[in-house]
Order: sequence, then structure tokens, then C-alpha cells
Amino acid sequence: DTGVSQDPRHKITKRGQNVTFRCDPISEHNRLYWYRQTLGQGPEFLTYFQNEAQLEKSRLLSDRFSAERPKGSFSTLEIQRTEQGDSAMYLCASSPRETQYFGPGTRLLVL
Amino acid sequence: EDQVTQSPEALRLQEGESSSLNCSYTVSGLRGLFWYRQDPGKGPEFLFTLYSAGEEKEKERLKATLTKKESFLHITAPKPEDSATYLCAYCEVSGGGADGLTFGKGTHLIIQP
Repeated sequence: DTGVSQDPRHKITKRGQNVTFRCDPISEHNRLYWYRQTLGQGPEFLTYFQNEAQLEKSRLLSDRFSAERPKGSFSTLEIQRTEQGDSAMYLCASSPRETQYFGPGTRLLVL
Repeated sequence: EDQVTQSPEALRLQEGESSSLNCSYTVSGLRGLFWYRQDPGKGPEFLFTLYSAGEEKEKERLKATLTKKESFLHITAPKPEDSATYLCAYCEVSGGGADGLTFGKGTHLIIQP
């Protein structure tokens, strides 16, 4: 399967803990995106990389969130000091141009 | 403020009963209009990209159309396996390289056998 992959698929954590998610994009795609989706809503844009450069961050991305894409390959999204409001599905997408292809998502539950 | 509105929020159809889903958008410069299908607990699956008014694209029982203010997803003779949430999104023309998609809340479609 050569699609976007994400790990882990599910994560349960306690409030105040740090969590890190990984995304492996489709190999020839130089653009990578992170989104967050809550129940009954469409995905909300968080941040965007072109190769290893982080070019855009949404105002939704608070100081507790950080994303990296070393060497322009896989990407990680870290949430520090998690809060119950961080519970959501975190989606990664990659694209060669405008059309974005999504991974299966990581579902986070903060207790 | 730029936004996208999808209607109806939910739609229940009998198998074989054709219908259309609506996506209304307001954006100063449209770079692309996208349709995705999302099954419960999964990531969105790409369906169509439309770039300019008058454009149409088809795939099996689905056809997407675009005007300057709306897009429609037409479903012809749907089957139960077409049941899903259908998401509409746009990408805005921006000189800053911003490429994040703005999504609607989706239409939850149920096809009854």
C-alpha cells in the first residue's frame, strides 16, 4: 500500500501528558499537511510543510503544539501538556500539487 | 469571512433514488474545489477536484459540478455502499503559499436497501 500512513491509530492519554504522532506521506509528495477533526465537523487545517520547511500555521496551533518534518520525509506532531479539549482525530495529508490525499488518522482521547 | 456551507446536513434515500448534495462557498479567489468521501473512523477519501466554473467530473455513480458560488455532487441510482459523509472543501488563491483546505461540515448520506 503506497498511501499516507499514520501511527499510532489510537492513543489514550491522561491530561497533562505529552503525545507524539507520526505521518509517512506518499513518497513522491513534497507537501504535507496536518488537520484536526472533531465529531460532526469537517477537518480543520493546522499546519503545512513544503519539503522540510513549515510554511503555514493555523491560529488553532497553540504553543503546546509543535510539528516537524526533518529531511522532508516523515512528519511528527507533538502535543505537550494535553488537555481534554485536544481529544480529536488528527489527520495527515500529502500532495504533489493542489489535491491532498489523507491518511487514516490518529484518534486521540485525553482523560 | 471565507467559508463553505453544505446542505442538507443529513439525507436518507432509498436505493436507486437519485439526489444532489450542495456546497456553497464564499472565497475571494478559488484555487480549487474538492469533494471527499469519509467513512466512520477513517480519513477522507479523495473523489474530485474542480478548478473553474462550468467544469464537471464523473466517477461511477457520482458527478461533481461547479459554478462561481456553488458545487453540486449528484448521485445517480445510489447503492447502500454509497452511504458515507461527503465533505466539500476549497483551497484559496494566496501569494503566501498557503495551501490548507477549508472544509464544510459534510452531508451524512444514508442509502437504504
